[in-house]
Amino acid sequence: EIVMTQSPATLSVSPGERATLSCRASQSVSSNLAWYQQKPGQAPRLLIYGASTRATGIPARFSGSGSGTEFTLTISSLQSEDFAVYYCQQYNNWPPTWTFGQGTKVEIK
Amino acid sequence: QLQLQESGPGLVKPSETLSLTCTVSGGSISSSSYYWGWIRQPPGKGLEWIGSIYYSGSTYYNPSLKSRVTISVDTSKNQFSLKLSSVTAADTAVYYCAITAMAGAWFDPWGQGTLVTVSS
Repeated sequence: EIVMTQSPATLSVSPGERATLSCRASQSVSSNLAWYQQKPGQAPRLLIYGASTRATGIPARFSGSGSGTEFTLTISSLQSEDFAVYYCQQYNNWPPTWTFGQGTKVEIK
Repeated sequence: QLQLQESGPGLVKPSETLSLTCTVSGGSISSSSYYWGWIRQPPGKGLEWIGSIYYSGSTYYNPSLKSRVTISVDTSKNQFSLKLSSVTAADTAVYYCAITAMAGAWFDPWGQGTLVTVSS
């Protein structure tokens, strides 16, 4: 089973600053990695897939990088609407399995 | 554009079976080569993939839940369903249905989620 580990658990950032979130896989997942944003009371929203491709309608301030076991989500200049919990997720091709990280909460500093 | 909506009882007694349905609109569940999945989130905690079913009927389950989970498709109603047996308080969670376009793909879109509480 592939285990996804996110760090830090909580990130305190001021509006306008850059936020860098990390995700590590216990074994290589190639570029089969997605990032989601979740706000209270809402379903997760897809931000990034293929480790670095922004989903439709996602602002350019969100960017993803990495491959293999180390991945990063960067929010270049935090807006008020970006304070939320972020999850990474690996999607193994075969057999189909999907595993989430435990999440990183981005809070206002 | 595909849209999903979960439905089912919000309260289930311990040891009983949790049953939820996801209704698909904007497309046919039988004609699309998608994986139809269930994910859950205990209150204040992270996301856990429960299992997925391919449109052909093949199922894939999280090993930690496999012995208690059944996912099925009802093409006549354009729905897919989740059954989780022998529930305990640890199964209290918001349950989401979601789609992946292929085996190696991300979940998008998601339903809004439905809270199921396990309590006597």
